[in-house]
Amino acid sequence: DSGVTQTPKHLITATGQRVTLRCSPRSGDLSVYWYQQSLDQGLQFLIQYYNGEERAKGNILERFSAQQFPDLHSELNLSSLELGDSALYFCASSPTGSLNTEAFFGQGTRLTVV
Amino acid sequence: EDQVTQSPEALRLQEGESSSLNCSYTVSGLRGLFWYRQDPGKGPEFLFTLYSAGEEKEKERLKATLTKKESFLHITAPKPEDSATYLCAVQAVRNNAGNMLTFGGGTRLMVKP
Repeated sequence: DSGVTQTPKHLITATGQRVTLRCSPRSGDLSVYWYQQSLDQGLQFLIQYYNGEERAKGNILERFSAQQFPDLHSELNLSSLELGDSALYFCASSPTGSLNTEAFFGQGTRLTVV
Repeated sequence: EDQVTQSPEALRLQEGESSSLNCSYTVSGLRGLFWYRQDPGKGPEFLFTLYSAGEEKEKERLKATLTKKESFLHITAPKPEDSATYLCAVQAVRNNAGNMLTFGGGTRLMVKP
């Protein structure tokens, strides 16, 4: 158990809908990262938050947004969903925002868009 | 743009048959190279971080090494429970780059008893 908690574990929704994925980082970790894993793209970095502020942005679509709350949990909002958004979404956390420390991953949320 | 290429894509071994997985990378200044293990339907599990060429790290049957262009994950006398996908990732030195990792496509290892 990595200590990173993601909910829900599975989500099935229709095209055009909006969903929210939730992540609770390990106790004491200030950084939260979101990754998307699909069969054809592998693990792709989406966005990082550090202590409530956006720190780095990767290949995140404009239809997607994220935030980190004062209690350090994070939410990833996906809107106007398309079939191609079906993937595993992972959250990871690490103690700091800028040092080269390892990130610990949650078990993921499997999103299926039908 | 950072790039990570892992080979082979898949590897079948007999129990006890040692081998190596390769991770080639291109990055504008390496801050760290990471190895993760991922079981089906699970999140990646951290194994090692390597920071500079010549560095080696070991954990049970696994040993990771690093050169300026690639990293190897050596598996000695593997067991069926070592079957998993092994992911390599790099973190670049960039101003305000945060801790983002660029992952390779992974090597799916299958160890048969």
